[in-house]
Amino acid sequence: AQTVTQSQPEMSVQEAETVTLSCTYDTSESDYYLFWYKQPPSRQMILVIRQEAYKQQNATENRFSVNFQKAAKSFSLKISDSQLGDAAMYFCAYRENFGNEKLTFGTGTRLTIIP
Amino acid sequence: NAGVMQNPRHLVRRRGQEARLRCSPMKGHSHVYWYRQLPEEGLKFMVYLQKENIIDESGMPKERFSAEFPKEGPSILRIQQVVRGDSAAYFCASSIDRGRFDQPQHFGDGTRLSIL
Repeated sequence: AQTVTQSQPEMSVQEAETVTLSCTYDTSESDYYLFWYKQPPSRQMILVIRQEAYKQQNATENRFSVNFQKAAKSFSLKISDSQLGDAAMYFCAYRENFGNEKLTFGTGTRLTIIP
Repeated sequence: NAGVMQNPRHLVRRRGQEARLRCSPMKGHSHVYWYRQLPEEGLKFMVYLQKENIIDESGMPKERFSAEFPKEGPSILRIQQVVRGDSAAYFCASSIDRGRFDQPQHFGDGTRLSIL
């Protein structure tokens, strides 16, 4: 079974600085998707960024980028120029490419932005 | 295009009562997923449905829980004889046709179930 591990329960960063959130996963599949979701206090689940395993190029979305290391099964999220609105729980998630599309989530990292 | 709609937003039940959670997927989406989030934890998959079919219910407790996605109307997650441990946030997500694997799941705002 696939597992997703987020080893940092909490992180904090100074406003305007850069922070990296870690995620590792375990799978025997070669083709899959990885996601980062943001959950602010409102509890909405907001998709931040996604990566397709067959693509070597790391995904980027404005201030958010990933470092995808397929061999190491690592998928970290880098947030540049941190803003107060980035404060939230961040969840890493895995999904198979073929077959069941259910998401497997990590336990989350609570990110605090220090003004 | 309206997003995934879940209702109610908050639901309070006493132990032993039934809870019904509703989810209307985004227009054009035929796949629905239910997840449960216990306090201070990540989301855990419960069940995956397509219209009138349960595809995967491996994450759903064998007793008291059931889910449906009828041909017409919203998907329903039903919890019978609720217990304190059922208190959680229940999220619904939907996605477009399975053949388009690059389409992500879109989440509703969740239903927070509290058991007294």
